[in-house]
Order: sequence, then structure tokens, then C-alpha cells
Amino acid sequence: DGGITQSPKYLFRKEGQNVTLSCEQNLNHDAMYWYRQDPGQGLRLIYYSQIVNDFQKGDIAEGYSVSREKKESFPLTVTSAQKNPTAFYLCASSVLQGPQYFGPGTRLTVT
Amino acid sequence: DQQVKQNSPSLSVQEGRISILNCDYTNSMFDYFLWYKKYPAEGPTFLISISSIKDKNEDGRFTVFLNKSAKHLSLHIVPSQPGDSAVYFCAASVVTSGSRLTFGEGTQLTVNP
Repeated sequence: DGGITQSPKYLFRKEGQNVTLSCEQNLNHDAMYWYRQDPGQGLRLIYYSQIVNDFQKGDIAEGYSVSREKKESFPLTVTSAQKNPTAFYLCASSVLQGPQYFGPGTRLTVT
Repeated sequence: DQQVKQNSPSLSVQEGRISILNCDYTNSMFDYFLWYKKYPAEGPTFLISISSIKDKNEDGRFTVFLNKSAKHLSLHIVPSQPGDSAVYFCAASVVTSGSRLTFGEGTQLTVNP
């Protein structure tokens, strides 16, 4: 079954801890993306990668880090420097210049 | 600077009637536009897209219209069904800059039986 998986669905962390969100795709897509969604708002781009071992900052990259060591995987680390980490995080992938397809999302709650 | 804007946060229609969702953009470089549907606590689902070389694209009950001079696009759903109730996002990109999308804030569509 081809698709994008994100795990876990729900994640709880204490303030001050780093946390890594997983994103895997088996669609053979070159590009992968991370967004966050806050209540009543649209999706805001955190980071994206169009090729292995390369990635670019999106609109709200501060407090986040990513890696792209494999084509299939694009993990996102939410660091303690992120001031408002509680949000719904969405991963997507696409062929270059094609529509993005999204995973089911991870709800992160930091207390 | 909100480059893609959906001015209506919500829309309510009767089952069987037409739903029209609107989206405006300010960046004249955008040349590829998409609509996504999203249920709560799920990832968005790609619905339909349109390139700036076209002014209409149709897929089943969904039609997207693009008016480049007005920097406006719309999604028509005919006939509307209760299962269409969701948040709809429009998104835009500059194709030569890769697949990076800019999203609108979304419109909550409610289709009443």
C-alpha cells in the first residue's frame, strides 16, 4: 500500500524536551515537506526537501530541525527553542512540480 | 503578508445544491493552484488542481475556475453532498520554484441534508 505514514498520532512532551516526529513515504517522491496547523489557521510551511541530503527553511523554521538522509524519510525535531510547539503537524510528499499528498498528521502537546 | 486568502471562513448549503468556494491571491508569479479537503485531525486530501494556462478544470462533481486578471479562483461542487462537509483549503505555487505551496486559511463547508 503506497502512502505517507506519520507516527505517533498523538504525542505528549514536557516543556524543555526535544521531540522528533516521524514521516515516511513509499511513493518514491523526491520532495517532502513539514507543515504545522494551529486552530482556525491554514497550513504553514516549516521545512522542505527536494532531494536527499538537502533541505530548505520554510516560513516558520525557527525552533525546528530536519534531516533527509534517505529518500523515504524526513523526520522533524521540535526543539526546546520552539516557543509554541503545541500544534498539529503534517508531513507531505510530492513529485517535483506536482500536487502534495499528506500524511495523517501528529498532534503534539507540550505542557 | 497573506498571499493566498480565503475570505469566507464558513459556508452552508443544502444537499443537492451548488457549493462555491472562493480564493484570492496577490502574487502574480503563482502559476499552479490546488484545492484540498480536510477533515478534523486528518491530513488534507488533494482534490483538484489547475495550471495558469487554463481557466477551467473539471473532475466529476468538482470544477475549479481560474480568473488570472482578477487573481481569483473558485471551486464549484455540484451537487453538494453531506459527505462534502469539511474544511477546504486553496493553495498556490510557482512551478519553476519547485512544489512549495502557499495555503489559504480555509473555508468550513457544511452541507445540510
